[in-house]
Amino acid sequence: DGGITQSPKYLFRKEGQNVTLSCEQNLNHDAMYWYRQDPGQGLRLIYYSQIVNDFQKGDIAEGYSVSREKKESFPLTVTSAQKNPTAFYLCASGQASNQPQHFGDGTRLSIL
Amino acid sequence: GQQVMQIPQYQHVQEGEDFTTYCNSSTTLSNIQWYKQRPGGHPVFLIQLVKSGEVKKQKRLTFQFGEAKKNSSLHITATQTTDVGTYFCAGPNSGYALNFGKGTSLLVTP
Repeated sequence: DGGITQSPKYLFRKEGQNVTLSCEQNLNHDAMYWYRQDPGQGLRLIYYSQIVNDFQKGDIAEGYSVSREKKESFPLTVTSAQKNPTAFYLCASGQASNQPQHFGDGTRLSIL
Repeated sequence: GQQVMQIPQYQHVQEGEDFTTYCNSSTTLSNIQWYKQRPGGHPVFLIQLVKSGEVKKQKRLTFQFGEAKKNSSLHITATQTTDVGTYFCAGPNSGYALNFGKGTSLLVTP
């Protein structure tokens, strides 16, 4: 989706290392979301934010952290506390909560 | 908490056959949304249904929202190889986000 940019496309993490996934949107959307996708598991919500400087934990927030200092940006940090980080991470945004979401191309994270 | 279940998990059809995926929620939904994810890609929004008993069509795709607003279906008539992918339904949860079903993966062989 041209309105949401995720980087990098591929990322490798070493044991004990924190890594940050970038998500930027130019759609002027208030709400932003982070999902984790594992094969056969669908999309599981990690964190979401309805407005700048505010965010809430989703279903699987342990081992992750986020910030929302700007409307356009919602970076996700995968901390060393996340013992099984290998997955496909998707960022999304929407005009408002519960409204249709636009997704970025995703970041594939693997452990070295 | 609110859960969204989808069946079947996988479906393999011959090109030209019809396909249907079903979505059921444990609670009444204010709306239901459908997304499609092509292999290696990201989910793309297809449609949102809001009204009880609503039926919407997009070319060969027909979407229905149940009378009780707890279930929905997506029907594809005469599948094509371009229909390959995983179809997800999603409904608002008690907070301010969406609960996605696990999806139905459709494989179409020519």
